[in-house]
Amino acid sequence: AQKITQTQPGMFVQEKEAVTLDCTYDTSDPSYGLFWYKQPSSGEMIFLIYQGSYDQQNATEGRYSLNFQKARKSANLVISASQLGDSAMYFCAMREVILTGGGNKLTFGTGTQLKVEL
Amino acid sequence: GAVVSQHPSRVICKSGTSVKIECRSLDFQATTMFWYRQFPKQSLMLMATSNEGSKATYEQGVEKDKFLINHASLTLSTLTVTSAHPEDSSFYICSAPLGRTEAFFGQGTRLTVV
Repeated sequence: AQKITQTQPGMFVQEKEAVTLDCTYDTSDPSYGLFWYKQPSSGEMIFLIYQGSYDQQNATEGRYSLNFQKARKSANLVISASQLGDSAMYFCAMREVILTGGGNKLTFGTGTQLKVEL
Repeated sequence: GAVVSQHPSRVICKSGTSVKIECRSLDFQATTMFWYRQFPKQSLMLMATSNEGSKATYEQGVEKDKFLINHASLTLSTLTVTSAHPEDSSFYICSAPLGRTEAFFGQGTRLTVV
């Protein structure tokens, strides 16, 4: 069974600083995908970044980058130049491949509440 | 990115009534959609997998008779909470995958049963 662990329930960072949100995972599947989502107080889930298990390079999307260390089974999210609008809950998730019907069944971590301060 | 629209965003209903929540993929087809439930300050828990043209697959512990799922077309899945009770109050959110690397979420529905 797949498992996602986020050990930081809350994090603070000063505006314009970088912050790393931790995520470790456990799976026996050789093929998997890792996602990061942002959930502001409104509740919507905003897709940030994706890393495939066979991707050679770390994924990057604007100010977001994923520090993927496969041997350690970690997929930490790095947010550079934090902004006040980055304050939100952040979830790490792992894709489980469904053999019938396709699609990405996601297992989520418990989340990290990030607060960006002036 | 692709758009998934979920309605209503907020609903208050009386105990014993049923509530239908719609999830639509607006610019792509989704043969599979997922329904999640989220309690305050907690993670998303998968309730069921909605499959177009076949029965939904429910996660262990989820009552299929209480949470009816219908995947009517390649762009629409509905979740009906039947005979709702206050303990069903929660945030419900749907997801539609796009390929292997993307999964888009609806805006979520905050259900309050009074």
